[in-house]
Amino acid sequence: AAGVIQSPRHLIKEKRETATLKCYPIPRHDTVYWYQQGPGQDPQFLISFYEKMQSDKGSIPDRFSAQQFSDYHSELNMSSLELGDSALYFCASSAAPPMNTEAFFGQGTRLTVV
Amino acid sequence: AQKVTQAQTEISVVEKEDVTLDCVYETRDTTYYLFWYKQPPSGELVFLIRRNSFDEQNEISGRYSWNFQKSTSSFNFTITASQVVDSAVYFCALSEANFGNEKLTFGTGTRLTIIP
Repeated sequence: AAGVIQSPRHLIKEKRETATLKCYPIPRHDTVYWYQQGPGQDPQFLISFYEKMQSDKGSIPDRFSAQQFSDYHSELNMSSLELGDSALYFCASSAAPPMNTEAFFGQGTRLTVV
Repeated sequence: AQKVTQAQTEISVVEKEDVTLDCVYETRDTTYYLFWYKQPPSGELVFLIRRNSFDEQNEISGRYSWNFQKSTSSFNFTITASQVVDSAVYFCALSEANFGNEKLTFGTGTRLTIIP
């Protein structure tokens, strides 16, 4: 079965650079979530989209932005990267009722800022 | 605001022992979902279970079982006859039942080590 695809899997950037993370949800899933997991921490919700509209926003820095495109894939854009942005970034997708599935997570993108 | 507490930071047990991971949650919602995820050393988040707040039946899946007690706001996870492959960080999580926005609030996780 198709899963959530995230690319790239690993990314190394220098401070003050920009990064773009991509997420391809499971087909027919209409909701996408982004989470950030720092070393030794639990995943923290960043932002979500339902039917290509932002549905909720968590502790996402102003330097970050995201969107969901017409084909339902999503991108997380991160600018002016800081050392503290080094983390594992997860994308998850789900389907609203009537399918009403739980969120399925991608394998994550490990971002290292040096 | 929602909150999930996993008081056990780390647990070590000898292989074949049973182990229970505790999870206590707080929410003002009357309808919500509870989850358990496994995160092995490779880093991916593996879905284990989702439980609707209206369904207090305990569930068993192979060596895994879950005990949901709404009266104590707990959703504990037991692994029977543990195996080395069970070594991982386990996260309990909570979400509102709000379609289009079921963001997860995670606990801080319990690192489980199974000693061969």
